[in-house]
Amino acid sequence: AQKVTQAQTEISVVEKEDVTLDCVYETRDTTYYLFWYKQPPSGELVFLIRRNSFDEQNEISGRYSWNFQKSTSSFNFTITASQVVDSAVYFCALGKTMDSSYKLIFGSGTRLLVRP
Amino acid sequence: DTGVSQDPRHKITKRGQNVTFRCDPISEHNRLYWYRQTLGQGPEFLTYFQNEAQLEKSRLLSDRFSAERPKGSFSTLEIQRTEQGDSAMYLCASSSGLYAREGPTGELFFGEGSRLTVL
Repeated sequence: AQKVTQAQTEISVVEKEDVTLDCVYETRDTTYYLFWYKQPPSGELVFLIRRNSFDEQNEISGRYSWNFQKSTSSFNFTITASQVVDSAVYFCALGKTMDSSYKLIFGSGTRLLVRP
Repeated sequence: DTGVSQDPRHKITKRGQNVTFRCDPISEHNRLYWYRQTLGQGPEFLTYFQNEAQLEKSRLLSDRFSAERPKGSFSTLEIQRTEQGDSAMYLCASSSGLYAREGPTGELFFGEGSRLTVL
């Protein structure tokens, strides 16, 4: 069975602090995709990143970075120098690579509050 | 440039009534998804269309739920005989897929959702 766990329900930080959002996944597939989505107060989920299970290189995009560790089945997301605009709910998700299923399995999300 | 649009944004109905939601995906996207999100939870997959073909349905999609995408463009999700447990945000997403056998590899573009409240 596939499962995504985001153990942190809510995190509160002060602006300019670094913050890491944890994501642990379970799957029996040997190849899969991992995603992060952001859901701001407006409600519309916004794609942040997709990672293929073959590629364990960490990725950095501006203030965002992602740490994928297959050995621990984790795909953590770090925001450096957080800003108030980063306040949102962040979801980690897992998907298959072939046409056996087109669904994404989402975690329950982590609500991030960045205080000024 | 228009994104994914959903209508209505909010719907309040009495238990037992039927409701229908509409989703207009990004015009060049051949893939369309419906998800349901309840408070404090992540989205849960309901169904997937590739063009007009419904290729996958979740067990969550009971016989009271039906989705269509008749011409491979807009889609409708109908809930018959609504129950209080149907209260949720119904999200539509679309994406482009180059290969028929490709999984959900690409970015999904989500609409703002249709919030259903069943009294």
